[in-house]
Amino acid sequence: KQEVTQIPAALSVPEGENLVLNCSFTDSAIYNLQWFRQDPGKGLTSLLLIQSSQREQTSGRLNASLDKSSGRSTLYIAASQPGDSATYLCAVNSGGGADGLTFGKGTHLIIQP
Amino acid sequence: KAGVTQTPRYLIKTRGQQVTLSCSPISGHRSVSWYQQTPGQGLQFLFEYFSETQRNKGNFPGRFSGRQFSNSRSEMNVSTLELGDSALYLCASSLATGTGLYEQYFGPGTRLTVT
Repeated sequence: KQEVTQIPAALSVPEGENLVLNCSFTDSAIYNLQWFRQDPGKGLTSLLLIQSSQREQTSGRLNASLDKSSGRSTLYIAASQPGDSATYLCAVNSGGGADGLTFGKGTHLIIQP
Repeated sequence: KAGVTQTPRYLIKTRGQQVTLSCSPISGHRSVSWYQQTPGQGLQFLFEYFSETQRNKGNFPGRFSGRQFSNSRSEMNVSTLELGDSALYLCASSLATGTGLYEQYFGPGTRLTVT
């Protein structure tokens, strides 16, 4: 059974810092990995999708890497802003879509102005 | 292009009642998945539908059921509600399934409170 762990559970940094969020998964036989952000009481916003054959994806100030063999992914946020404050969730697709996504518990990020 | 929409957004029900939640996927998306989010368990997969067929089901009791219509809209039903069913129910859609190539896009969720 796939398990996803995110470290740290919470993080508070001053504005402008670069930061790294970590995600690990137990079964390396994945189809893809997706990073989401969730604002309080809201749905999920997709940030980046990395397919199993890819090593990284970039979107603006965000960069996500994937090391399938070691079961790890990182989300790098450059030049953090207060608007980046949210919970960041990592989700793994292990079954080609038919099995649903397995989520980590998330990293609660606060960017101090 | 309109995103995933879910109705209603908020719902209050009493123990023992049943509830039906609705999800309209992004136009052209044929796969719809449902998830339950609670503070204790986080996000958990309920089931996924593709072309009106349930492809897979998570580890939830039979009180949780769903269906998908020919226009890809989906409904989920929870019967005999329990206090523990209080949660945010999220629906996600994607273009297809079975390849892992496609992102899942989530709706805003339905907040269900059982009293």
